[in-house]
Amino acid sequence: DAGVIQSPRHEVTEMGQEVTLRCKPISGHNSLFWYRQTMMRGLELLIYFNNNVPIDDSGMPEDRFSAKMPNASFSTLKIQPSEPRDSAVYFCASSLLLAGWDEQYFGPGTRLTVT
Amino acid sequence: AQSVTQLGSHVSVSEGALVLLRCNYSSSVPPYLFWYVQYPNQGLQLLLKYTTGATLVKGINGFEAEFKKSETSFHLTKPSAHMSDAAEYFCAVGRGQGNLIFGKGTKLSVKP
Repeated sequence: DAGVIQSPRHEVTEMGQEVTLRCKPISGHNSLFWYRQTMMRGLELLIYFNNNVPIDDSGMPEDRFSAKMPNASFSTLKIQPSEPRDSAVYFCASSLLLAGWDEQYFGPGTRLTVT
Repeated sequence: AQSVTQLGSHVSVSEGALVLLRCNYSSSVPPYLFWYVQYPNQGLQLLLKYTTGATLVKGINGFEAEFKKSETSFHLTKPSAHMSDAAEYFCAVGRGQGNLIFGKGTKLSVKP
């Protein structure tokens, strides 16, 4: 299995620009998670989906952030407009949520720098 | 509400010494507990997990953890540290509903 795939691996953009991060979960998994990691705040859950439906988006920092999962094999996290404080590593993770199992598999992350 | 506390943001040990990384959790229901490792510039990888059954859980790379309900702890240990163990370690708790709560992480340094 190829694991969770994220693209791009690195993104540098100017403040005010739109940024789109992409994630392909492991085939057959039914849950997908977006995290943000910074030195100051550690690992934060932004949003997660179950069977392509957003379950909890309480971690999305503000309306500039949006996430979609149009099908079971693809999700996007969009930031518009981007700001320097959005600079972070963004991880996507997926899992097969069966009764009692929460094991998540992480992608390699996208390092976002907003100048 | 569930929470995870990792004691010590940085731990330094000598090569060959015991590794002990501490994790305490708070949960109103029987928890599912996890340890993840993150090497520089990589995503998190699962080290080990506890769901039910035996309270001593063995993971990859010689790590193990023991679930102690009375102490609400799930400390991670390894008898002999190796240079390749240098990484950041995250403890996490789940409820079987898909969402994991992660601790702040502990960076492990291994001195030669």
